[in-house]
Amino acid sequence: DVKVTQSSRYLVKRTGEKVFLECVQDMDHENMFWYRQDPGLGLRLIYFSYDVKMKEKGDIPEGYSVSREKKERFSLILESASTNQTSMYLCASSLLGNYGYTFGSGTRLTVV
Amino acid sequence: DQQVKQNSPSLSVQEGRISILNCDYTNSMFDYFLWYKKYPAEGPTFLISISSIKDKNEDGRFTVFLNKSAKHLSLHIVPSQPGDSAVYFCAARSYTGNQFYFGTGTSLTVIP
Repeated sequence: DVKVTQSSRYLVKRTGEKVFLECVQDMDHENMFWYRQDPGLGLRLIYFSYDVKMKEKGDIPEGYSVSREKKERFSLILESASTNQTSMYLCASSLLGNYGYTFGSGTRLTVV
Repeated sequence: DQQVKQNSPSLSVQEGRISILNCDYTNSMFDYFLWYKKYPAEGPTFLISISSIKDKNEDGRFTVFLNKSAKHLSLHIVPSQPGDSAVYFCAARSYTGNQFYFGTGTSLTVIP
């Protein structure tokens, strides 16, 4: 069964901490994405990557960075966590033709 | 600016009746549309898609209709079942783009 795996389901971090969210896919997909989901705002794209070491900013990249050193792994980094980054974070992947995403189960991050 | 809009945040329907979820978009370059279903604490799962060369696509109890002139698509679920209770997101992509744009979601509750 093909999968997108996010390393943590729930995380609680303190303001100012550096936070790493990890995502691994086993489908040999070229594209990988990080979204956050907030009530009333839907899914908003933070960053995406269409190849190893390549990254593109999405709609809300401020306060975040990403790393893609291997095709199967896409990491989201919160350089200095803030309370307004409390959210559900969703990783997704797709083939290059981009006919749809496969999502991970999500990471619920709370910053206190 | 929200390119994909779901103007109804919530919808309640009796079991066995039809559920109609609506989605509007603004970008005339969008050519491929998806519906995703999301349960709490899980990632979205793909439900059904439609290409702009069609105006209808059916998969079991789920049918998606596309009205290109109105820039409107709808998802019909018939008959609705309690297990259909979830948040539904529509998403759209342009043939020149790398990403899907998501609506804000509609929370469907099917009442037994």
